Amino acid sequence: QSALTQPPSASGSPGQSVTISCTGTSSDVGGYNYVSWYQHHPGKAPKLLIYEVNKRPSGVPDRFSGSKSGNTASLTVSGLQSEDEADYYCCSFAGNNMPYVFGTGTKVTVL
Amino acid sequence: EVQLLESGGGLVQPGGSLRLSCAASGFMFDRYAMTWVRQAPGKGLESVSVIGSRGIRYAESVKGRFTISRDNSKNLVFLQMNSLTVEDTAVYFCAALDNFASENWGRGTMVSVSS
Repeated sequence: QSALTQPPSASGSPGQSVTISCTGTSSDVGGYNYVSWYQHHPGKAPKLLIYEVNKRPSGVPDRFSGSKSGNTASLTVSGLQSEDEADYYCCSFAGNNMPYVFGTGTKVTVL
Repeated sequence: EVQLLESGGGLVQPGGSLRLSCAASGFMFDRYAMTWVRQAPGKGLESVSVIGSRGIRYAESVKGRFTISRDNSKNLVFLQMNSLTVEDTAVYFCAALDNFASENWGRGTMVSVSS
């Protein structure tokens, strides 16, 4: 199972928006509405931001939003803040063989 | 409060074995699928194994070498790792799965495979 494709890096100034893409196939992203997004600060546990493409867990600010079109999912972070600087990973359910596949990760820098 | 605490990591020689444990508390453990995810140094997250009502699944890279199991009476999930290679060096996280995603994660345990 190949990793989902994400851009290695993205950046924006405080208050701006950044969108991260996550491209898979019809066997994962395109085949199921089970895409999730995680924020990971090195040395800490990953934090769930989005599940089922566009749903936010309790406590996650609405600055974080998710969407999907075909085989590509996207995470948008609006109103960038310094604490948003982290690595971001998408993840998709991928059926019965190995149920979950992660993206390659995107490092977000707040300029 | 949901807590997941991994243990059992350490330094092992290539070809050796380790058994990771994850102690869970603060939620109805037996109702959740559990998963192990790893992150090699400088690399991204990789799903290693899942155990739940849909059965047990492994990444191709560990199939035949790793075994996941759980003890619902003690709220524990395990990862038995055999025939370890340097490519297995990583921080190993355990996480609980809900709605096909993981809101609750442990802090991870480091596994280093080196001669």
